[in-house]
Amino acid sequence: QKEVEQDPGPLSVPEGAIVSLNCTYSNSAFQYFMWYRQYSRKGPELLMYTYSSGNKEDGRFTAQVDKSSKYISLFIRDSQPSDSATYLCAMNGNQFYFGTGTSLTVIP
Amino acid sequence: DGGITQSPKYLFRKEGQNVTLSCEQNLNHDAMYWYRQDPGQGLRLIYYSQIVNDFQKGDIAEGYSVSREKKESFPLTVTSAQKNPTAFYLCATSSLGGGLETQYFGPGTRLLVL
Repeated sequence: QKEVEQDPGPLSVPEGAIVSLNCTYSNSAFQYFMWYRQYSRKGPELLMYTYSSGNKEDGRFTAQVDKSSKYISLFIRDSQPSDSATYLCAMNGNQFYFGTGTSLTVIP
Repeated sequence: DGGITQSPKYLFRKEGQNVTLSCEQNLNHDAMYWYRQDPGQGLRLIYYSQIVNDFQKGDIAEGYSVSREKKESFPLTVTSAQKNPTAFYLCATSSLGGGLETQYFGPGTRLLVL
């Protein structure tokens, strides 16, 4: 079993839709949870990070961690064409573990 | 201008040739990492270093070598022993301790085989 599982998509939504991206993980020792956005042929950009369980909001983005279910989510409200990218989840125990990424396309 | 720089942006390797990818950071981060990214496979860890003059193998170190002579620099050499080097290579850094451990990535180097 992989440490982190992420649905690769692709996910295609109309502009203005709410997008939900998810990851599951197996290691209950993970404490830090991160979401990265990666545009084509660019390095991943850190979008949000959370420590332990709970929600964190930053503009149109909300990161949610449910440690009891070993499940993390990233919600994007009022999605824009500029949000079209691959989104990677990541978490940190004694080393970093990354999901394989979900490809998102927001259609104008 | 703070951050992580990687050079070159594109690199072409001939058969039997060793090539070196550069990674420099001015974030004063202790740890540096090299990942390889292939389509559909996510990020795979090649090497990492938490302190100058020390580094550890990651999951796919065979055919690669690194050095960490300065805190700011962590070059990766792709040797001729790496039979399938075509990939997107990403350098990352993180600060250790202080209660916040996230990774920051450079812009990447795309390596192609001629």
